[in-house]
Amino acid sequence: NAGVMQNPRHLVRRRGQEARLRCSPMKGHSHVYWYRQLPEEGLKFMVYLQKENIIDESGMPKERFSAEFPKEGPSILRIQQVVRGDSAAYFCASSGGQANQPQHFGDGTRLSIL
Amino acid sequence: RKEVEQDPGPFNVPEGATVAFNCTYSNSASQSFFWYRQDCRKEPKLLMSVYSSGNEDGRFTAQLNRASQYISLLIRDSKLSDSATYLCVVNPTNTGFQKLVFGTGTRLLVSP
Repeated sequence: NAGVMQNPRHLVRRRGQEARLRCSPMKGHSHVYWYRQLPEEGLKFMVYLQKENIIDESGMPKERFSAEFPKEGPSILRIQQVVRGDSAAYFCASSGGQANQPQHFGDGTRLSIL
Repeated sequence: RKEVEQDPGPFNVPEGATVAFNCTYSNSASQSFFWYRQDCRKEPKLLMSVYSSGNEDGRFTAQLNRASQYISLLIRDSKLSDSATYLCVVNPTNTGFQKLVFGTGTRLLVSP
């Protein structure tokens, strides 16, 4: 499967724990985007990364959230000290980088905070 | 005003019907436009890109009106499998930086 791969599909954490979400882009894509979808809401942009660089993180909460896309390995979205409000579906997308190219999405990670 | 606005629906239509969705966007500099489909609790899947001249893909036709800043999607001969939420998506830049802005979606229910 050469599509966007996310894991885990479901993640349960207790308040105060850390959550790590992983995303491997589609083969040939070097641009990765993270989105969050709260229940009954639309997808909201969080961060855009290229290999080893954060291009735009204007949609990331100022605290507890961070993202990386190392030279080797998947992109990681990290949420420290999770709170109930972090419960959401987190989707990763990738593209080849051209402006008119669509983004292709992974299956998402459903994060539940107890 | 939201950057991308859609009627949430739901649109309830019988099989075989024709249904149309509209979407408006606020940023007149927006360059790229897409329709995605999202099934319940699944990932968004690209339905089609939207071009200035309008484009068609089988039963689906997309139109863009830059002057009025709206995008439309027409579905002909609706199938049960078309039941889903349809997301209007706009890229407000003309660079490779795709900070996509999603509408909240229009829900379609096709019944037998």
